[in-house]
Amino acid sequence: GQSLEQPSEVTAVEGAIVQINCTYQTSGFYGLSWYQQHDGGAPTFLSYNALDGLEETGRFSSFLSRSDSYGYLLLQELQMKDSASYFCAVWDNFNKFYFGSGTKLNVKP
Amino acid sequence: KAGVTQTPRYLIKTRGQQVTLSCSPISGHRSVSWYQQTPGQGLQFLFEYFSETQRNKGNFPGRFSGRQFSNSRSEMNVSTLELGDSALYLCASSRSGPEAGYEQYFGPGTRLTVT
Repeated sequence: GQSLEQPSEVTAVEGAIVQINCTYQTSGFYGLSWYQQHDGGAPTFLSYNALDGLEETGRFSSFLSRSDSYGYLLLQELQMKDSASYFCAVWDNFNKFYFGSGTKLNVKP
Repeated sequence: KAGVTQTPRYLIKTRGQQVTLSCSPISGHRSVSWYQQTPGQGLQFLFEYFSETQRNKGNFPGRFSGRQFSNSRSEMNVSTLELGDSALYLCASSRSGPEAGYEQYFGPGTRLTVT
């Protein structure tokens, strides 16, 4: 199987920048995805990195380095509504989808 | 367009019973995946269907099964329920497979409680 490790919790101040890391052990995968889930809600897709490098979508950016088995999600200009859990995920070469353990982001005023 | 819908939203069952959950994907989406979410195990992949065929299955016992109909709607069934099956069951749909980036759209989930 696959293993995706994330910090369990991160706290940051409104307006700041926060980086959520994802390190993985996998034999092969198509790309790294990120999902956001608010308490009581369903996961929503944020970004996908098929290739190494940075992908930017508004205030959110995601990075992947396959050689380092590492990726991260960068959230800029944090807002209170960004308080949620964030999951990295991979769809591996055996057509199975794995989610990381999730990082709970607390945004404080 | 309408999002992914799941029915029922809440369900209470007794150990030993079976349950069927339903998922209607976004129109035009042919791939439907099912996930189990629990506080202890997180989000775990159950199986994925594409054009009525199960393409792959996660590491769950045979009590967990599913199917997909010609209109892409999907059902999952859990037989001989155990207390540990209490969880939020999420369905997600996608236009195609991982080659397209596999952006999944999740439904609100079915909260299953086994007593």
